[in-house]
Amino acid sequence: NAGVTQTPKFQVLKTGQSMTLQCAQDMNHEYMSWYRQDPGMGLRLIHYSVGAGITDQGEVPNGYNVSRSTTEDFPLRLLSAAPSQTSVYFCASRQDRGRTEAFFGQGTRLTVV
Amino acid sequence: GNSVTQMEGPVTLSEEAFLTINCTYTATGYPSLFWYVQYPGEGLQLLLKATKADDKGSNKGFEATYRKETTSFHLEKGSVQVSDSAVYFCALTTPPGGTSYGKLTFGQGTILTVHP
Repeated sequence: NAGVTQTPKFQVLKTGQSMTLQCAQDMNHEYMSWYRQDPGMGLRLIHYSVGAGITDQGEVPNGYNVSRSTTEDFPLRLLSAAPSQTSVYFCASRQDRGRTEAFFGQGTRLTVV
Repeated sequence: GNSVTQMEGPVTLSEEAFLTINCTYTATGYPSLFWYVQYPGEGLQLLLKATKADDKGSNKGFEATYRKETTSFHLEKGSVQVSDSAVYFCALTTPPGGTSYGKLTFGQGTILTVHP
């Protein structure tokens, strides 16, 4: 069982470059989300989706775009990387937006120099 | 808005010691409460959960009770092992009825190190 798959695991970008973090799940989950993890701040929600074609902003959306063209995939795009975006990024999926468990990918460690 | 506050870390214990990690929350309505664990180099995984007041979640020797009156969900384990060394996150899911419905909100995480 693959669960939630994130790629890449590590990435170094130069300031101003763009890139896409990939996330795919094979559990037919409706609800997917992206978080960033920074020391002492827990996980902060960037964007989320309640189903294919529907996305919304979380608490720290600036500098990031998402789309949800299929149930399985939820890519996160960095438009113009900044050093403040150096972080560990996690994708998560849940069956729905109710009281259900979240499944997380392994994370992407991004460094912007 | 909703929020989760965990005790300050890091926590360092000897093997077989008793563990408590405090967690309190602020939320409207009746959220579901979770503890997630993150082992080094991995993503988060669910440790236990409780969906209504007075529920007790338990798994792998860990327990937490949903206390509505004190808005708390403290994590406990009677005898920790070296393999329990990890980062522990308390979290809540907002119930229906507001703009935050379904969002999963995390505390800042508590680093636990257990020495032999």
